[in-house]
Amino acid sequence: DGGITQSPKYLFRKEGQNVTLSCEQNLNHDAMYWYRQDPGQGLRLIYYSQIVNDFQKGDIAEGYSVSREKKESFPLTVTSAQKNPTAFYLCASSINNRGIPYEQYFGPGTRLTVT
Amino acid sequence: GENVEQHPSTLSVQEGDSAVIKCTYSDSASNYFPWYKQELGKRPQLIIDIRSNVGEKKDQRIAVTLNKTAKHFSLHITETQPEDSAVYFCAAIGLRNKLVFGAGTILRVKS
Repeated sequence: DGGITQSPKYLFRKEGQNVTLSCEQNLNHDAMYWYRQDPGQGLRLIYYSQIVNDFQKGDIAEGYSVSREKKESFPLTVTSAQKNPTAFYLCASSINNRGIPYEQYFGPGTRLTVT
Repeated sequence: GENVEQHPSTLSVQEGDSAVIKCTYSDSASNYFPWYKQELGKRPQLIIDIRSNVGEKKDQRIAVTLNKTAKHFSLHITETQPEDSAVYFCAAIGLRNKLVFGAGTILRVKS
């Protein structure tokens, strides 16, 4: 389980505020990912990064932004432009095997509530 | 793009019985199929995965089978125990090598 941490576990924000979710890994993985999970649904990809200083949009990138300045860190900012930000956010990492996300490992998640 | 359908959405079994969850995928180029277990409020955990060069993989009470022709793969859990109760997600590699997840199956093992 260990090696990927997310903080905080619970986060409460007022509508209109930007908020940044932290994700750190010490697994020496090149690739990192952000997913969103809504109740009763699967995981949807927000952004991913296969190498430092590079990242790509996933399926639901609108209203989110990321940075990848260090290999160990991939913070996600939920901006005020995200229409329904309340969700469970999961960060993951994997070895970058020619771009294929084999054995993706997840962090413990951050539950964001926006009111 | 890739679409992954997972069935059933809920599954109740008696302790000791077997459980089978099935997924179908749309992209014939998909070559990696992991299964994750997620307990309530916890992170998804990889429990088994299979690559397209094999048809079956087993790890103790858990097995995964893959039928590339029919584009479906299944998770089999034998001798189920109460601690197997969780949500199980299948996934498949899709466009641009992104993982696409199924909607999940809630497994309840009754003792």
